[in-house]
Amino acid sequence: GAVVSQHPSRVICKSGTSVKIECRSLDFQATTMFWYRQFPKQSLMLMATSNEGSKATYEQGVEKDKFLINHASLTLSTLTVTSAHPEDSSFYICSASGEPYEQYFGPGTRLTVT
Amino acid sequence: KQEVTQIPAALSVPEGENLVLNCSFTDSAIYNLQWFRQDPGKGLTSLLLIQSSQREQTSGRLNASLDKSSGRSTLYIAASQPGDSATYLCAVFDNTNAGKSTFGDGTTLTVKP
Repeated sequence: GAVVSQHPSRVICKSGTSVKIECRSLDFQATTMFWYRQFPKQSLMLMATSNEGSKATYEQGVEKDKFLINHASLTLSTLTVTSAHPEDSSFYICSASGEPYEQYFGPGTRLTVT
Repeated sequence: KQEVTQIPAALSVPEGENLVLNCSFTDSAIYNLQWFRQDPGKGLTSLLLIQSSQREQTSGRLNASLDKSSGRSTLYIAASQPGDSATYLCAVFDNTNAGKSTFGDGTTLTVKP
C-alpha cells in the first residue's frame, strides 16, 4: 500500500521560533497533499490543501502567513509554523493523494511550543 | 457544508462482544467513506474504504456498511478484543469539494479483558 512519512515525529521548540514539518509520499507521486491539525480529544481539522507547483488553498480561519505550505515536488510537501506560540501546540497530520479522493495519511507530528 | 456525526462518543464493552459504531453525514453526494483507527498519540490507520457505489466492505473481523441515501455508515466489530481499544474515526470524501475529507469526532472504544 501507499506509504506517507512525516518528519519529525515529535518536536519541542521555544515560543517565537519557526518549525518545519516534512511530508513525503514514499512510493507514489502525490499531486495533492493535505495538512490537518488535531487538538487533544478532538477530530482532525483540515488546514490547507496543496497541489504540486501551485499555492496552497487554506481553510477559513487558518492564517496563511503563519502556516507556510510548500509543495515543491510530487513527493514532498512542507508545513512551516512561523513564530510559534504555545497555542500552536498540536498534532499535525498530512495526507497525500495520487488518485482523486484516495488519501493516504502520514503518522503525524507532535509539536510542543514552550 | 458536510457534517459528520459519530455515535456513541465512547463505548466500553467486555471482551468477546460484537459491537456497532455509527457514522452519519448530512450531504449524501459523497465520493467515498473511510473508517480509521487512531491509537493515543498516534496517526491514522485506515481500516476500510467504501466507494459510493458499494454497500459494504469486509476485512477480517471488521465489516463496514454504507447507506448513502440515508447518510449512514456502520462499522461492525466481531468478537472484540482488548487490542481493539482505540478511537475510531469516520471520514467522508466529497464529490464537489476538491477531494477534501470531513471527519467525525470519533468513537473511543474500550474493550475490557
